[in-house]
Amino acid sequence: DIQMTQSPPSLSASFGDRVTITCRASQSISSFLNWYQQKPGKAPKLLIHAASSLQSGVPSRFSGSESGTDFTLTISSLQPEDFATYYCQQSYTTPYTFGQGTKLEIK
Amino acid sequence: EVHLLQSGGGLVKPGGSLRLSCAASGFTFSNYNMNWVRQAPGKGLEWVSSINGGGGYIFYADSVKGRFTISRDNAKNSLFLQMNSLTGEDTAVYFCATGYWGDWGQGTLVTVSS
Repeated sequence: DIQMTQSPPSLSASFGDRVTITCRASQSISSFLNWYQQKPGKAPKLLIHAASSLQSGVPSRFSGSESGTDFTLTISSLQPEDFATYYCQQSYTTPYTFGQGTKLEIK
Repeated sequence: EVHLLQSGGGLVKPGGSLRLSCAASGFTFSNYNMNWVRQAPGKGLEWVSSINGGGGYIFYADSVKGRFTISRDNAKNSLFLQMNSLTGEDTAVYFCATGYWGDWGQGTLVTVSS
């Protein structure tokens, strides 16, 4: 199985900050990497697919990048509604594994 | 607009069975793979199972293989997850999601407890 190692597990930041969350795949997944935002009691929301493609309707302050098996989600300027938990997921092959999650909290 | 409406969760005793449903609308259901994902209380996301549009290709997580069965009825735009031999480790919110991962159901809680 492909392991997805996500870091950090938690992050404290302030409104307007630029934050970065990383995810490392245990083997090549090409660009089959998704990023999700999840708020308590809600379903995950797809933010980025194919490592760097912004899902329709998602604000442009969210971006994704890749370098080999390392993937990054960047939020350029944190807004109040961005405080949530973020997950990466490889959709390259089953089992479609998720990262452990990053909880983004207000500093 | 894509909509996935889930039903069928609830409380079940260990060793029992439950069937989850996911009613789809707003897209050509038969053209798309579908997935089930679960989330144990306070934990992360875990992929459970996937099925292709025609229903001929099916995949399961090792943790549910042999106990869970995914199926679909394209005539009724519906996805199902039959869960047998349930244990406490299966307690979770279960989500259905489209194969492109862009649309998710609202989630349904399955609690396995005596």
